[in-house]
Amino acid sequence: EVQLVESGGGLVQPGGSLRLSCAASGFTFSSYWMHWVRQGPGKGLVWVSRINSDGSTTGYADSVKGRFTISRDNAKNTLYLQMSGLRAEDTAVYYCARESKTGSDIDYWGQGTLVTVSS
Amino acid sequence: SVLTQPPSVSAAPGQKVAISCSGSSSNIGGNYVAWYQHLPGTAPKLLIYDNDKRPSGIPDRFSGSKSGTSGTLGITGLQTGDEGDYYCGTWDSSLSAVVFGGGTKLTVL
Repeated sequence: EVQLVESGGGLVQPGGSLRLSCAASGFTFSSYWMHWVRQGPGKGLVWVSRINSDGSTTGYADSVKGRFTISRDNAKNTLYLQMSGLRAEDTAVYYCARESKTGSDIDYWGQGTLVTVSS
Repeated sequence: SVLTQPPSVSAAPGQKVAISCSGSSSNIGGNYVAWYQHLPGTAPKLLIYDNDKRPSGIPDRFSGSKSGTSGTLGITGLQTGDEGDYYCGTWDSSLSAVVFGGGTKLTVL
C-alpha cells in the first residue's frame, strides 16, 4: 500500500524557516517524480514544487521560487521541502504527492501537514 | 486559478451532476486532464486520469471527458458520501507548472 506521511509543520514567524519531510513507503520511491501541493485556509489546491526521480531536476511555482527548495533522499525514501523567507500567505496545509508513471497526473497524496506563519 | 470551475453544484441523492473545468490551449488543450476528490479530513484522491480513465477501485459512477480546452467530471447515483470538493488538474506547458481549478463544492441535498 502506498503511504506518504508528512511531518515538520508548525507555527513560524514571518521571515522564518521550516523544513517539511515526507516519508514514503509501499512503492519504489526512487522511480517516481514527487510533488508538494498546498491548500491555504478556505482555498483550493495550489501546486508548489516538483522533483524528478533522481533529484537532478526541480520546478517551482512563481510564488515560492527563490524561497523554497525541494529535495529528496532516495536512500531514506524521503522527500523534503525547505522553506525560508516565510510569509503569512504561505500559511497552508502542505501535501506530499506522487506523480503517476505516465506523468499526466498525481496518483497518491499524503494527509498533509499544517504550516502557520504568524507573529 | 488558471483553470475555471463552478464554485458549487448540488443535487439530490440518486441524481447526477456534471462539473466543468475550463482552460486554454497551453493546459487542457494540449495535455491530459485529471480529477481529484477531496473529502473533509482526508487526503485528496485521484478519481479520473488521462481525461476519462478511472483508477482501480473508483466506481463507474464517476466519469470524465474532454473537448478542446474543457474537461467535465460526471457523477451519477449521487450519495451523501460524495459530498466534498472536486478539483481538475493538468500540466500547463507555458507556465511549466501543474495547475488546478479553484475547486467545486458538491452538496448532496
